[in-house]
Amino acid sequence: QKEVEQNSGPLSVPEGAIASLNCTYSDRGSQSFFWYRQYSGKSPELIMSIYSNGDKEDGRFTAQLNKASQYVSLLIRDSQPSDSATYLCAVYNTDKLIFGTGTRLQVFP
Amino acid sequence: GAVVSQHPSWVICKSGTSVKIECRSLDFQATTMFWYRQFPKQSLMLMATSNEGSKATYEQGVEKDKFLINHASLTLSTLTVTSAHPEDSSFYICSADIMGPGNTIYFGEGSWLTVV
Repeated sequence: QKEVEQNSGPLSVPEGAIASLNCTYSDRGSQSFFWYRQYSGKSPELIMSIYSNGDKEDGRFTAQLNKASQYVSLLIRDSQPSDSATYLCAVYNTDKLIFGTGTRLQVFP
Repeated sequence: GAVVSQHPSWVICKSGTSVKIECRSLDFQATTMFWYRQFPKQSLMLMATSNEGSKATYEQGVEKDKFLINHASLTLSTLTVTSAHPEDSSFYICSADIMGPGNTIYFGEGSWLTVV
């Protein structure tokens, strides 16, 4: 079992819709969780971090964490074509950041 | 603005030569930096953890004699790819750990290495 799992996609949503990205992790002791956005050929950019169960909102982005289910999600409201990118879920495990393989999001006009 | 700076952004080198990539933390001290490699359409693969003043910790399968990591100061870590081969061509990314309430890790801009 991979430590951090994501559906590779692509996830296609129309402009203005809500995009829902999911991630599961295997280490129940993990404490810090992150979502990064990566455009093709570029370095990952931090979007959200979440440490406690529940929801955390920042603008159009909402991260959700459920430690009992070992599940992290990212919701993007009012999706824009500029949101089209690969979204990486990352879990801080002991002393390093473990990444999922990423979900490619396509927002079409 | 960027909190982690990486240089060079692009580098082309001949097979058999060595190339150095620098990673600097701006406006903060990073006791720990990380080096990743990413092949096209794949996820980031952690290569090693760079600790200031001590030897780097390499992930399984990463040759420490080929990928030399030096973390001589709290703001600079370097990755040297020695005796580079075409299969070493990849996107190399560093990151630095900002300690605090919950660890936050920021990435450098990445370095594209092409070995010809």
